[in-house]
Amino acid sequence: NAGVTQTPKFQVLKTGQSMTLQCAQDMNHEYMSWYRQDPGMGLRLIHYSVGAGITDQGEVPNGYNVSRSTTEDFPLRLLSAAPSQTSVYFCASSPTRHRSDEQYFGPGTRLTVT
Amino acid sequence: GDSVTQMEGPVTLSEEAFLTINCTYTATGYPSLFWYVQYPGEGLQLLLKATKADDKGSNKGFEATYRKETTSFHLEKGSVQVSDSAVYFCALSDQDGGFKTIFGAGTRLFVKA
Repeated sequence: NAGVTQTPKFQVLKTGQSMTLQCAQDMNHEYMSWYRQDPGMGLRLIHYSVGAGITDQGEVPNGYNVSRSTTEDFPLRLLSAAPSQTSVYFCASSPTRHRSDEQYFGPGTRLTVT
Repeated sequence: GDSVTQMEGPVTLSEEAFLTINCTYTATGYPSLFWYVQYPGEGLQLLLKATKADDKGSNKGFEATYRKETTSFHLEKGSVQVSDSAVYFCALSDQDGGFKTIFGAGTRLFVKA
């Protein structure tokens, strides 16, 4: 099992550019999510999905889109990058929606927007 | 709304010292509580969890007890090692759906040899 994988590991964008952060899991997990991590703020939820074809917004969704066409993949799209989106992005998955399930995290993507 | 507050860091300790990282929470329901650890350059990984009041989670010498009366979930370890240097996150999950996982701001721990 590779677990949760993310690509790329690092990315530099110019303001206004768009890109997609890739996330995949091979554990057949139902629930997947995207977080951003900023200094002193912990992790904040961007978008999440409770299954293929179902997505919803988290705490900080503006400027990001997601889709979930398969159980395995959950890409995050930045529509028009802004310096405020400079952050470390983590994808996570968990087996079910139950509150006691732990989340499994990918290694992260460090994004810089200039 | 739900929230998690944990002590600010960084915390610097000598090897074999006792560690406590305080965590308190606010929740409307009956949350599960978690401690995650993030080593440099890596994603978060579960350290321990507790799913109901008075449960004690433990792993790798770390312990935390779910105290409903004080809404706390403090992390403790009797003797830290240099390899414990990392950022520690307290978190709660308050309803089925998982999307209501709320993370604290994280506490960075440095352990000196």
